[in-house]
Amino acid sequence: EAGVTQFPSHSVIEKGQTVTLRCDPISGHDNLYWYRRVMGKEIKFLLHFVKESKQDESGMPNNRFLAERTGGTYSTLKVQPAELEDSGVYFCASSVHRGEPNTEAFFGQGTRLTVV
Amino acid sequence: AQSVTQLGSHVSVSEGALVLLRCNYSSSVPPYLFWYVQYPNQGLQLLLKYTTGATLVKGINGFEAQFKKIETSFHLTKPSAHMSDAAEYFCAVSRPYNQGGKLIFGQGTELSVKP
Repeated sequence: EAGVTQFPSHSVIEKGQTVTLRCDPISGHDNLYWYRRVMGKEIKFLLHFVKESKQDESGMPNNRFLAERTGGTYSTLKVQPAELEDSGVYFCASSVHRGEPNTEAFFGQGTRLTVV
Repeated sequence: AQSVTQLGSHVSVSEGALVLLRCNYSSSVPPYLFWYVQYPNQGLQLLLKYTTGATLVKGINGFEAQFKKIETSFHLTKPSAHMSDAAEYFCAVSRPYNQGGKLIFGQGTELSVKP
């Protein structure tokens, strides 16, 4: 069974450009989370989807970030326009939605975004 | 509010020595606690987790962690380090699943293992 897959693995863009990150969760996982790690800092929560609905987007930094999950399958995270402080590693995670307290979240390899 | 503090951003041990990675948490509700590991060029992998029940939790690759409520700690240990344990380790806390299940991470501890 395929794990959580993220595309691209690396992206280098100029300030002001647009970048779209993609996450393919494990098949059948209704929960999808985005996290970000800025260099030297902790991994921080961005948002949480249950199927196609945004359950919690309290971690989104500002309105330059737009996340979608059309059809409840893969998700995209668009940054427009990108700023230098957006550089970091963006992780996606997915888990089943069984309502159990100890459901494990599976992480992708992350997308390393560098804004120059 | 919940938070996690990992003491020591870098820890170095000799092969065969005890590994001890420290994690303290703050939580206003009974916490769920996790340790994740990230090997180079890979994603985060769950080592172990504590939700309820036995406070000594055993995980993969010989790691274990002890939940201590009074000390608000969840330190990760392994009796004998292997070279393959070199990686970055993250402690995390979450709310119960029915409150979203999002993870709050510490800053990470990079473990180096010397031959």
